[in-house]
Amino acid sequence: EVQLVESGGGLVQPGRSLKLSCAASGFTFSNYYMAWVRQAPTKGLEWVAYISTGGGSTYYRDSVKGRFTISRDNAKSTLYLQMDSLRSEDTATYYCTTGLPRYWGQGVMVTVSS
Amino acid sequence: DVVLTQTPPTLSATIGQSVSISCRSSQSLLHSNGNTYLNWLLQRPGQPPQLLIYLVSRLESGVPNRFSGSGSGTDFTLKISGVEAEDLGVYYCVQSTHAPFTFGSGTKLEIK
Repeated sequence: EVQLVESGGGLVQPGRSLKLSCAASGFTFSNYYMAWVRQAPTKGLEWVAYISTGGGSTYYRDSVKGRFTISRDNAKSTLYLQMDSLRSEDTATYYCTTGLPRYWGQGVMVTVSS
Repeated sequence: DVVLTQTPPTLSATIGQSVSISCRSSQSLLHSNGNTYLNWLLQRPGQPPQLLIYLVSRLESGVPNRFSGSGSGTDFTLKISGVEAEDLGVYYCVQSTHAPFTFGSGTKLEIK
């Protein structure tokens, strides 16, 4: 059974950092582009960042460039999102998904508020 | 960035009714490799999205065949032939032909 399990979310003050993790199982993680997608409360879906199979290529949406870093550890089948200088507009549920969005985690909530 | 325009934004249907959702792209989604990376997702209330259709018309494993996708270039359609109660939720088209990948704004399906 395919599983993507996110962790690391929570309440954080503006300007602080948070690191999300996504543990994958049930499929060959190293064969898939991976991505983080977020959804602000009552809003639609938006790509945040994605990373190639080997980690050599990454993409970030403009609003998180320079603040967020996506990475992966294929030996551990784990995807990461380091989020620095967080802003209130980063408040959302963050989903881990494959590049072709076939597999999804349940999501983890990130709330940026003072 | 590629803009995906979904219509209608909301849809109300009775059980058994057939409905269609349109997704129009601001540029062709035909990749240089010959594939068109246009997919459809369903997000049920309180759930993560799930993949219904990929590469325009390929039905994801386990998805009922009342769902079908069609289109090419910039115009795409998701059809549900005989809506069932479990189909309520928000439908999104998503393209991964051009970076950055983009989502449509969603179509909310309500059951009358």
